Amino acid sequence: GAVVSQHPSWVICKSGTSVKIECRSLDFQATTMFWYRQFPKQSLMLMATSNEGSKATYEQGVEKDKFLINHASLTLSTLTVTSAHPEDSSFYICSAKAGPGELFFGEGSRLTVL
Amino acid sequence: GQQLNQSPQSMFIQEGEDVSMNCTSSSIFNTWLWYKQEPGEGPVLLIALYKAGELTSNGRLTAQFGITRKDSFLNISASIPSDVGIYFCAGPFGGTYKYIFGTGTRLKVLA
Repeated sequence: GAVVSQHPSWVICKSGTSVKIECRSLDFQATTMFWYRQFPKQSLMLMATSNEGSKATYEQGVEKDKFLINHASLTLSTLTVTSAHPEDSSFYICSAKAGPGELFFGEGSRLTVL
Repeated sequence: GQQLNQSPQSMFIQEGEDVSMNCTSSSIFNTWLWYKQEPGEGPVLLIALYKAGELTSNGRLTAQFGITRKDSFLNISASIPSDVGIYFCAGPFGGTYKYIFGTGTRLKVLA
């Protein structure tokens, strides 16, 4: 299947700092990528849709100023968690559509805010 | 947010047994995707279904797109220890390209 890669795979930061997570489609171009968040023992919850060359669209309840998304090229989307707090600690996973109906995921990035 | 309901929530089975799990929705879906997630990893796509009634296999895994288009089923035959993980269904909601996920079925295989 298509390959989607995330970096970093884990990050620990102090409260109040900002953290950037990258999502790359390695062997295909993706005009649309998706960012999900997963708390322990829970399912994946869609946070936002990242659109290449335009603004991201956010799901209800997700603060756009808190979770900044940039999709500057057809193979890269970034999620920046601004002024992170302990409650932002979570597993963040990106995905991209490689073809009709097929959604491929990155390895995930585990954020721990101290 | 919206979610799909999966059952059972968790399963403990003996190695070699067959496994069945399902996913239901209150609305019609045009696509069903099945994923497996292992601890600390992103979900890995197992099977994609595109037509009502479709039956698709991937090795020991078989998935079916329900006739009503509101459900899907995943079967694993002759389970092995490496089948351990959480299995999620997913589908696009509201006629959009945005995918929502099921609540997950946690599978544990006892050797």
